[in-house]
Amino acid sequence: NAGVTQTPKFQVLKTGQSMTLQCAQDMNHEYMSWYRQDPGMGLRLIHYSVGAGITDQGEVPNGYNVSRSTTEDFPLRLLSAAPSQTSVYFCATQDSGMVGELFFGEGSRLTVL
Amino acid sequence: GQSLEQPSEVTAVEGAIVQINCTYQTSGFYGLSWYQQHDGGAPTFLSYNALDGLEETGRFSSFLSRSDSYGYLLLQELQMKDSASYFCAPPWDTDKLIFGTGTRLQVFP
Repeated sequence: NAGVTQTPKFQVLKTGQSMTLQCAQDMNHEYMSWYRQDPGMGLRLIHYSVGAGITDQGEVPNGYNVSRSTTEDFPLRLLSAAPSQTSVYFCATQDSGMVGELFFGEGSRLTVL
Repeated sequence: GQSLEQPSEVTAVEGAIVQINCTYQTSGFYGLSWYQQHDGGAPTFLSYNALDGLEETGRFSSFLSRSDSYGYLLLQELQMKDSASYFCAPPWDTDKLIFGTGTRLQVFP
């Protein structure tokens, strides 16, 4: 099992460009989420999904879109990248019966120039 | 509101015992999780205390007092590989956790 797979691992964008961070899981977990981690800021929840077809906003959703068409995939879209979106992005999954236990992908390091 | 406090940094020597405290306030009442993150890596789950008391997993133990909104992670027989950041993360719903800035643990030989 691959667990939680994120692509790309590294990306450099110019201000205004758009891109999609991919997240795929093979654990059949209903819950998926996206976090961003900035130096000294900890992890902040961007968007989350409790199942296919259902998404909701977290703490810092502005500038990001998500969709959940399948259980396995939860892509994060940056519509018009800004330097403030330079960060490390983590996708996480959770078994619906296991409160508090998240499984994280390896992260995607994004730099916006 | 929701808030969380833990020390920013802790240092210790190999073989020692260290305790990382966490106080929190959330809208939920779901217990407390702990995560470890090495530099450049992803957070990994260590433990989840659903009930009050001490849970032991090898060299690591985690304690929770829900009435005090307080918990701690106890690391025993410290090893160099334990140098990492540790996050307490109280769930504020069945599928949402709060992460603070974490505690950076440095273990010296």
